[in-house]
Amino acid sequence: DTGVSQDPRHKITKRGQNVTFRCDPISEHNRLYWYRQTLGQGPEFLTYFQNEAQLEKSRLLSDRFSAERPKGSFSTLEIQRTEQGDSAMYLCASSLSDLGYTFGSGTRLTVV
Amino acid sequence: AQRVTQPEKLLSVFKGAPVELKCNYSYSGSPELFWYVQYSRQRLQLLLRHISRESIKGFTADLNKGETSFHLKKPFAQEEDSAMYYCALSGNTDKLIFGTGTRLQVFP
Repeated sequence: DTGVSQDPRHKITKRGQNVTFRCDPISEHNRLYWYRQTLGQGPEFLTYFQNEAQLEKSRLLSDRFSAERPKGSFSTLEIQRTEQGDSAMYLCASSLSDLGYTFGSGTRLTVV
Repeated sequence: AQRVTQPEKLLSVFKGAPVELKCNYSYSGSPELFWYVQYSRQRLQLLLRHISRESIKGFTADLNKGETSFHLKKPFAQEEDSAMYYCALSGNTDKLIFGTGTRLQVFP
């Protein structure tokens, strides 16, 4: 697989539940990014990793959000105690140095 | 504050007409500017970046530092250009700041 994979594609959850998303980047890419996109908006930066190190986190990433990238390969994004405002498309992207991003198809989260 | 503004939510043109999708930015420094495109049911993908100074699918974009603009242009629009277009910038870190996007509709 030469692309960025995200799983699941869709997730419907009840308010208050925890959810976890997974992203598998392109294997040789050392940088991995998480973005969130709501209707009518462009993607908003959440966090990014270089290898296994989390280098930057947005203020959008409240303490209910946590991201990991163990061993510098795949990454997970967990949202605890989901709220309706968390409903969005969660996008993952990877890159090799500054050669431009490759995006995944995203995980659409609906909190009911 | 770092910001990207795309003033048009929707731009509709007929096939063969020229297209200009506007993008203005606010950044105190030397940013790198990008255009990303999302075709229907496809993932977001890089169209072009200003440092490459390339023409991709007939599209070009010139960085105007005086006007802080990075407008995307194509002299003759094609139906297959219909998509959502996002302008984005990156500064001294690797993260991208996106505009709200412009939907381009090209009618036959």
